[in-house]
Amino acid sequence: GAVVSQHPSRVICKSGTSVKIECRSLDFQATTMFWYRQFPKQSLMLMATSNEGSKATYEQGVEKDKFLINHASLTLSTLTVTSAHPEDSSFYICSARDRGNSYNEQFFGPGTRLTVL
Amino acid sequence: GENVEQHPSTLSVQEGDSAVIKCTYSDSASNYFPWYKQELGKRPQLIIDIRSNVGEKKDQRIAVTLNKTAKHFSLHITETQPEDSAVYFCAARGLYSGAGSYQLTFGKGTKLSVIP
Repeated sequence: GAVVSQHPSRVICKSGTSVKIECRSLDFQATTMFWYRQFPKQSLMLMATSNEGSKATYEQGVEKDKFLINHASLTLSTLTVTSAHPEDSSFYICSARDRGNSYNEQFFGPGTRLTVL
Repeated sequence: GENVEQHPSTLSVQEGDSAVIKCTYSDSASNYFPWYKQELGKRPQLIIDIRSNVGEKKDQRIAVTLNKTAKHFSLHITETQPEDSAVYFCAARGLYSGAGSYQLTFGKGTKLSVIP
């Protein structure tokens, strides 16, 4: 089946530093990847949609200069949280849409737990 | 945009009983409705999905029904087991934006607890 990996799984950083999270589709090509944020006991909130070779589309209220997204290839998208602050601490999950899937199934990565001290 | 409401937010059932989770959506053009199960600290896992040209779909103990007229869809779990305990999310795919996005809008989730 379609597998999506995410790295790192867990990161702790100091306030003011930048953190890069990678999302990879391992056995399929993903023209579109999605980045979600999930706070404890809450739902997944879409942050941005990342299309290979073009600029990401950000949801309302998500700062594009703070959450930099790059989708340089059909198997890799990265999310960089710049100048992280404690309020950025959250569970970040990516998902990828299989280019060969005629419908809409998305496959989720295992998530990255970010803690900003 | 699409808006998805999910009820109840928490649900406790005795092992062996059935559990039903309901969702409504706002965009009548939505045509894909997946359900995800998420265990604590783990990724959401697709458990079943339904497309708008079908009214019901079953997979062993899990079934999903869709009422397009009323714009609601439901997840039914029969003969519940303790390992069914998790948070369940419904989702709906709204209008294709033209940018290849196929965005999903999620409900707020239902925490299901199956009591042995």
